[in-house]
Amino acid sequence: DTAVSQTPKYLVTQMGNDKSIKCEQNLGHDTMYWYKQDSKKFLKIMFSYNNKELIINETVPNRFSPKSPDKAHLNLHINSLELGDSAVYFCASSPLTGLNTGELFFGEGSRLTVL
Amino acid sequence: GQNIDQPTEMTATEGAIVQINCTYQTSGFNGLFWYQQHAGEAPTFLSYNVLDGLEEKGRFSSFLSRSKGYSYLLLKELQMKDSASYLCAVNDYKLSFGAGTTVTVRA
Repeated sequence: DTAVSQTPKYLVTQMGNDKSIKCEQNLGHDTMYWYKQDSKKFLKIMFSYNNKELIINETVPNRFSPKSPDKAHLNLHINSLELGDSAVYFCASSPLTGLNTGELFFGEGSRLTVL
Repeated sequence: GQNIDQPTEMTATEGAIVQINCTYQTSGFNGLFWYQQHAGEAPTFLSYNVLDGLEEKGRFSSFLSRSKGYSYLLLKELQMKDSASYLCAVNDYKLSFGAGTTVTVRA
């Protein structure tokens, strides 16, 4: 009964391919996020959704397309993968959003390696 | 925008105390968080400060001065399992993280 679960945990693929990462939370939270953690361990927000609506889009290339079919799920699709996309992608959720954002609950991460 | 600074690395001995500083400049502020991240794992919540002062939670304490844009995380009675990265994060309409401080605890 993992609170925030993402799949796959590891993904190795070639440049130019398209791939997806899925995330689900069973905490009943309204807000979900995608963060990218690069090789220098810097954790950077990419997107945030609140009740299926996009509320944060942090200047991410449009090759990255998030989709939230319902408030418990947030998926990330990446087109035309590049070497620089190699990173660990963390999904997270929180009960509220904006200035009321409380603690974030993170998934285990999906390590993407682009060859 | 946000600017969140913390030292890259710190080393300490088992049983000792380590203080990790974090300075920030943000356009809005509604709280500062500290997270712990072990290698290969997800970040986990440690502490939250929204008012000035010290919050104590067992061996870990966190301090905030909003006027100075400054926080620190204090780890007491260090144990080997405390070897991890410690991330400072500021809530400025979204949670933005510093680059993290890697703490190595030596026997």
